[in-house]
Amino acid sequence: DTGVSQDPRHKITKRGQNVTFRCDPISEHNRLYWYRQTLGQGPEFLTYFQNEAQLEKSRLLSDRFSAERPKGSFSTLEIQRTEQGDSAMYLCASSGLQSSYEQYFGPGTRLTVT
Amino acid sequence: AQSVSQHNHHVILSEAASLELGCNYSYGGTVNLFWYVQYPGQHLQLLLKYFSGDPLVKGIKGFEAEFIKSKFSFNLRKPSVQWSDTAEYFCAAQPDSWGKLQFGAGTQVVVTP
Repeated sequence: DTGVSQDPRHKITKRGQNVTFRCDPISEHNRLYWYRQTLGQGPEFLTYFQNEAQLEKSRLLSDRFSAERPKGSFSTLEIQRTEQGDSAMYLCASSGLQSSYEQYFGPGTRLTVT
Repeated sequence: AQSVSQHNHHVILSEAASLELGCNYSYGGTVNLFWYVQYPGQHLQLLLKYFSGDPLVKGIKGFEAEFIKSKFSFNLRKPSVQWSDTAEYFCAAQPDSWGKLQFGAGTQVVVTP
């Protein structure tokens, strides 16, 4: 079990640029979740996949955000036309039948928009 | 609105003191409940979970939590803390099994030697 991995770990970008993050879940997990965490707050749900199907997307999620999981393995989260308010830690988690509803979290990608 | 509330944002205590962190949720019906911990510089890790059955659940590192349905609470306890318990603690609710987690704002716990 190599755990959930995320890439990059840190990203600094200028306002208006597009960014893409990658998440590799635990290999046997079929569910993958994206969360966002800002300073002093708990993680906030963004979206989640079961295999390649995107089952739920937060109503708080702007149209500038899109996520994919094309082959039911890794996932990407893209933010278009970044804004300073997008600065946050983006967390990925995965779960599967073997983990009994538990979600295992990755180290996160810290995004700073200047 | 459905939410998870953690009563304290910051707690400072000495080694060997007892710890209790409050968590209340506002969901009706069945809900899975979790406590996660984030040590400095590390990612979120699961401390313990409640799905059903015995309302007193034991987790790793000597932590336990009690589910009280009538109070919509899931408080975390540890009888005697150590310096290594310094971390941020998050309560989370999962109203739909396999679905999203709703987190509280977290409690920063600092244990002094």
